Amino acid sequence: AQSVTQLDSQVPVFEEAPVELRCNYSSSVSVYLFWYVQYPNQGLQLLLKYLSGSTLVKGINGFEAEFNKSQTSFHLRKPSVHISDTAEYFCAVSLWSGGSNYKLTFGKGTLLTVNP
Amino acid sequence: DTGVSQDPRHKITKRGQNVTFRCDPISEHNRLYWYRQTLGQGPEFLTYFQNEAQLEKSRLLSDRFSAERPKGSFSTLEIQRTEQGDSAMYLCASSSPRLAGGYNEQFFGPGTRLTVL
Repeated sequence: AQSVTQLDSQVPVFEEAPVELRCNYSSSVSVYLFWYVQYPNQGLQLLLKYLSGSTLVKGINGFEAEFNKSQTSFHLRKPSVHISDTAEYFCAVSLWSGGSNYKLTFGKGTLLTVNP
Repeated sequence: DTGVSQDPRHKITKRGQNVTFRCDPISEHNRLYWYRQTLGQGPEFLTYFQNEAQLEKSRLLSDRFSAERPKGSFSTLEIQRTEQGDSAMYLCASSSPRLAGGYNEQFFGPGTRLTVL
């Protein structure tokens, strides 16, 4: 079974500062990796995904993440955050099975709070 | 907007009552998923459908929970004899690997927040 660990439950930063949200996963087989963002009282929005190929993936809103197979990590980064980036961020993995991936396994989330 | 919709958005009920939630996926999406998210946790997989067939159920889905997708379009999730521990956000997602060349991006609805008093 796969699992996801988000190492920080809360990350406070000042506006325009860089940020890194950490994610480590555990799986005995190849996985797809994702980062989702959740704003208060809303559903999940996909930020970016790693399927294969280049280990550095770029997503929406200026976010990027790097897949590191040896470290089993998929950390999310943004060089300069805005107040509007305040939200909960979830790392997730999905197994490849039966011709496609399906269910997602999520981490517990990291609350990013951007202060002025 | 043709995204995933869920109804109701909020539900408050008393312990022991039955509740039913509805999810309308993106049209043409043949897969539909239910997840549960409790306070301070990430979403947890409950079950998923491919068309009208329920292909997998999590151990989290006790006998009091039942999900259906009768015509392969909308889905309902029913909880019987609700307990306070059922209080959570119930999220629905849909996808279509066939349309995406095999890659299965899940699109999430806004969720139904259940409060059991």
